[in-house]
Amino acid sequence: DAGVIQSPRHEVTEMGQEVTLRCKPISGHDYLFWYRQTMMRGLELLIYFNNNVPIDDSGMPEDRFSAKMPNASFSTLKIQPSEPRDSAVYFCASSTRGRGGSPLHFGNGTRLTVT
Amino acid sequence: SQQGEEDPQALSIQEGENATMNCSYKTSINNLQWYRQNSGRGLVHLILIRSNEREKHSGRLRVTLDTSKKSSSLLITASRAADTASYFCATDLNTGGFKTIFGAGTRLFVKA
Repeated sequence: DAGVIQSPRHEVTEMGQEVTLRCKPISGHDYLFWYRQTMMRGLELLIYFNNNVPIDDSGMPEDRFSAKMPNASFSTLKIQPSEPRDSAVYFCASSTRGRGGSPLHFGNGTRLTVT
Repeated sequence: SQQGEEDPQALSIQEGENATMNCSYKTSINNLQWYRQNSGRGLVHLILIRSNEREKHSGRLRVTLDTSKKSSSLLITASRAADTASYFCATDLNTGGFKTIFGAGTRLFVKA
């Protein structure tokens, strides 16, 4: 089990540039979540997918943020244009949900710095 | 917005002592989970307790859930320096979906 794989681990970019974060969930997991972590706001749920379909994107901060899941093994989170306040650690997590719930498996995150 | 609030925000103890962290939440839940995060890493799931359960054990971990008070506690017994990490509670909201919302976390430091 390779776990959830995120790339890149670190991203430094200038304000106004496009940023794309990538995630490969655990094979067989049908739920995928994108979270953002900052000191000020903690862990925020941005969006989650079920069977590649976005279910709830109410946490996406602005239209500058978009997320896609073209297939069961790949998802992207794109920020265009990026701003310094987008600097954070972005986590992807996957899960297979049954009755009563089941745990989320997290990747090691992408640390984004926008200068 | 955050569903869960942990207490205390930070905790410093000696190795061998017990550590207790509390979590309060606001709305009806399906279950409550505890996660651990080491610096620079992703969160790791520790234990899940369902809304119809009151207590659960896993190794040195003991979790309680009081749905009438909308609160949970995580007890780590006989702590070790390697337990130093941030601990988060998370709730699956009972809204028909599977939204998992995290609290602000408790930073635990165990001194050797």
